[in-house]
Amino acid sequence: QVQLQESGPGLVKPSETLSLTCTVSGGAITGYYCSWIRQPPGKGLEWIGYIYDTGNTNYNPSLKSRVTISVDTSKNQFSLKLSSVTAADTAVYYCARGRAGIGYWGQGTLVTVSS
Amino acid sequence: QSVLTQPPSVSGAPGQRVTISCTGTSSNTGAGYDVNWYQQLPGTAPKLLIYGATNRPSGVPDRFSGSKSGTSASLAITGLQAEDEADYYCQSYDISLSGVVFGGGTKLTVL
Repeated sequence: QVQLQESGPGLVKPSETLSLTCTVSGGAITGYYCSWIRQPPGKGLEWIGYIYDTGNTNYNPSLKSRVTISVDTSKNQFSLKLSSVTAADTAVYYCARGRAGIGYWGQGTLVTVSS
Repeated sequence: QSVLTQPPSVSGAPGQRVTISCTGTSSNTGAGYDVNWYQQLPGTAPKLLIYGATNRPSGVPDRFSGSKSGTSASLAITGLQAEDEADYYCQSYDISLSGVVFGGGTKLTVL
């Protein structure tokens, strides 16, 4: 059974870089779109970006200048870095894997941006 | 303002049928890109409900069905149950934005 688990700091200071890692167990990450999606408190889902084929990336144009998604196939992990964060980046961050639709999601991790 | 437009809320009594619409443009749903639907129960991660506009993943009850015509897609839920109370999101790909887009979400209330 495929499972995804996000890990990383729950509190990040303004102007710093948010870093999260997603560990995938029970299945591969190669051949799939591995995505990061976030949800501000009480709001809807926002796609951040994805990585596929072990290196090709695609980012939300509104976040592109601040986002980097990378993959470590040896550890079956993929990671998110979001730089120069502000309070507007406070959200639950989900990692997810899919091909036809996003079939597997992590449980999500709340990241708060505050000094 | 979401690229895909959904009604903010819908409601229905147990046993009834409800539909949730998802309206896009010629850059996304109208361009032939797949429409997928997700159910998000309170405090949980979204769950894939429908992919490719009409297909149900294994384990999803056949009370849930999807359709698509032109730039719009719909999710129908029949035999409404209390456990269906959740937020529902549609999702597609937008060629102009070169990325994944979500609808704003629809809150389903079971009366």
